[in-house]
Amino acid sequence: GENVEQHPSTLSVQEGDSAVIKCTYSDSASNYFPWYKQELGKRPQLIIDIRSNVGEKKDQRIAVTLNKTAKHFSLHITETQPEDSAVYFCAASISGYGNKLVFGAGTILRVKS
Amino acid sequence: KAGVTQTPRYLIKTRGQQVTLSCSPISGHRSVSWYQQTPGQGLQFLFEYFSETQRNKGNFPGRFSGRQFSNSRSEMNVSTLELGDSALYLCASSQTGQAEAFFGQGTRLTVV
Repeated sequence: GENVEQHPSTLSVQEGDSAVIKCTYSDSASNYFPWYKQELGKRPQLIIDIRSNVGEKKDQRIAVTLNKTAKHFSLHITETQPEDSAVYFCAASISGYGNKLVFGAGTILRVKS
Repeated sequence: KAGVTQTPRYLIKTRGQQVTLSCSPISGHRSVSWYQQTPGQGLQFLFEYFSETQRNKGNFPGRFSGRQFSNSRSEMNVSTLELGDSALYLCASSQTGQAEAFFGQGTRLTVV
């Protein structure tokens, strides 16, 4: 089955710096890749997603890139702010398998002010 | 539009008991998926229901089951609870297959 690896497990950056989180998936049939942000004690929130027919997608300070050949995708956060501190999860799903999401282990992002 | 609602928020049960958790999806969403979140195993897929039918199933024992009603509300049941079942159980609703999935606040289950 699909396996998603996520790195790093923790990431500390200074406010205003950029943060990059990387994920690798195993099943080349995966074609939908969402990213979730989970603050302590709260639900995971979808922050951005990308489908396999697109190489990059941006939403204000957040961007996601996808390299299908290498089977990896990355989350980029620019101009980080203290409120970006949270756990970030990447996920992958395969067309024809409904909404089964396989998640990475998560990255704890700390933005120091 | 109301978000995904899970009840109850917290539960404490004894080993061997059974428990039922409820999830009301966003209005118009027909797919409900369930996930178990633990510090050690992360977010793991349990199962997905779409139009009252189980469409996908994860690698959990048969003690974990679910169902979906005609109004898309879903329940999951865990029988013969074990200490290791202590976790945050999250449900997510989507309109169709491979659509954006929105999570509920979760039910925190503690087995003692």
